[in-house]
Amino acid sequence: GESVGLHLPTLSVQEGDNSIINCAYSNSASDYFIWYKQESGKGPQFIIDIRSNMDKRQGQRVTVLLNKTVKHLSLQIAATQPGDSAVYFCAENIRVENNDMRFGAGTRLTVKP
Amino acid sequence: DVKVTQSSRYLVKRTGEKVFLECVQDMDHENMFWYRQDPGLGLRLIYFSYDVKMKEKGDIPEGYSVSREKKERFSLILESASTNQTSMYLCASSFSGTGATNTGELFFGEGSRLTVL
Repeated sequence: GESVGLHLPTLSVQEGDNSIINCAYSNSASDYFIWYKQESGKGPQFIIDIRSNMDKRQGQRVTVLLNKTVKHLSLQIAATQPGDSAVYFCAENIRVENNDMRFGAGTRLTVKP
Repeated sequence: DVKVTQSSRYLVKRTGEKVFLECVQDMDHENMFWYRQDPGLGLRLIYFSYDVKMKEKGDIPEGYSVSREKKERFSLILESASTNQTSMYLCASSFSGTGATNTGELFFGEGSRLTVL
């Protein structure tokens, strides 16, 4: 995942708009990726995953895109709602047999009503 | 539902004290992990365990040790706490591998916020 120092990247969107959160990962051999959502005072929760043999996967209101050429992941949230306000982390699985995940620095999404 | 329980949500300790952070999971997961979370740095892996009595160092093991005597319990130990160990500590568990029957998802506890004075 990417490290951006001590300042958390932030994204502010209007309720109802679409959100796109980006992430660069570090290991070209990683073959499995997960997006997590962390609400204030809670542990991260799984949103959606994607394997390296795919370039797109859709869930309910969320889509993950994978570009292996440039080692880039994105999470798209459709019709963003106030409940989507949280910190979002991408994670890459660097050792599949042990689920050894490495996390990015995270992006704070704020949804304005 | 999978439940990962961390014994303490908030702790305040003094420099030099020994600190135990306990984590219990109820889903018979093989793998358990300890991360620390600091603003702008994401989650950094301290140690993980893929079986009872087995442990491996993560990215930042210095100043920490772990214990896994039973499959459901994974403890993080700070032998002599220092102020730079003030942080949020997250425990997680998962099944082994990412085969057809599991997603590879990590299940996290609510976190333990440790302050070392």
